Amino acid sequence: AQSVTQLGSHVSVSEGALVLLRCNYSSSVPPYLFWYVQYPNQGLQLLLKYTTGATLVKGINGFEAEFKKSETSFHLTKPSAHMSDAAEYFCAVSERNTGFQKLVFGTGTRLLVSP
Amino acid sequence: EADIYQTPRYLVIGTGKKITLECSQTMGHDKMYWYQQDPGMELHLIHYSYGVNSTEKGDLSSESTVSRIRTEHFPLTLESARPSHTSQYLCASSQEGDLGYEQFFGPGTRLTVL
Repeated sequence: AQSVTQLGSHVSVSEGALVLLRCNYSSSVPPYLFWYVQYPNQGLQLLLKYTTGATLVKGINGFEAEFKKSETSFHLTKPSAHMSDAAEYFCAVSERNTGFQKLVFGTGTRLLVSP
Repeated sequence: EADIYQTPRYLVIGTGKKITLECSQTMGHDKMYWYQQDPGMELHLIHYSYGVNSTEKGDLSSESTVSRIRTEHFPLTLESARPSHTSQYLCASSQEGDLGYEQFFGPGTRLTVL
């Protein structure tokens, strides 16, 4: 079975600093990978996804992630944090199960941004 | 923009009550999902549906039940609520086909059972 590990339940950065949220996955087949963001009292919103092709994926709000097969990683980055980036971030891997798209989520990383 | 709705957003209810959490989507998606999310924990799939009259149990065992009589509607029911059911419940939908298709999430229902 596939799994996702997100290192660090909380990450704190200053406004304007680099954001790096780590995600490692395990999969026996080429994975489809996703990053979702959850703002307080809201559902999840897709930030970006990797399916095939270019390994550097750009998403919304200035975020990007790079798929590194050799490291089984899909870390999320943003060059300059903004206060509005404070939220919970979930990495997920797509697992096929009898023709059904099943998402396996990590435990999430809460991003805290200080002025 | 995603058009998936959940009601109520917040529900506080006593033990033993029957509750139904509503989920509707206007995107015509065939596949719909229910996830349970506890604070600091990952989302766990509890139910999913391929389409009308199709429902399946997810990875996490749940005492809730679901139905899919209409494409756009996927309600979740608890016949007798207990404090252990206290959690956030998220509904999602996606297009059929490609593994890379996005799942669209509703805003969630935060359930508290006293």
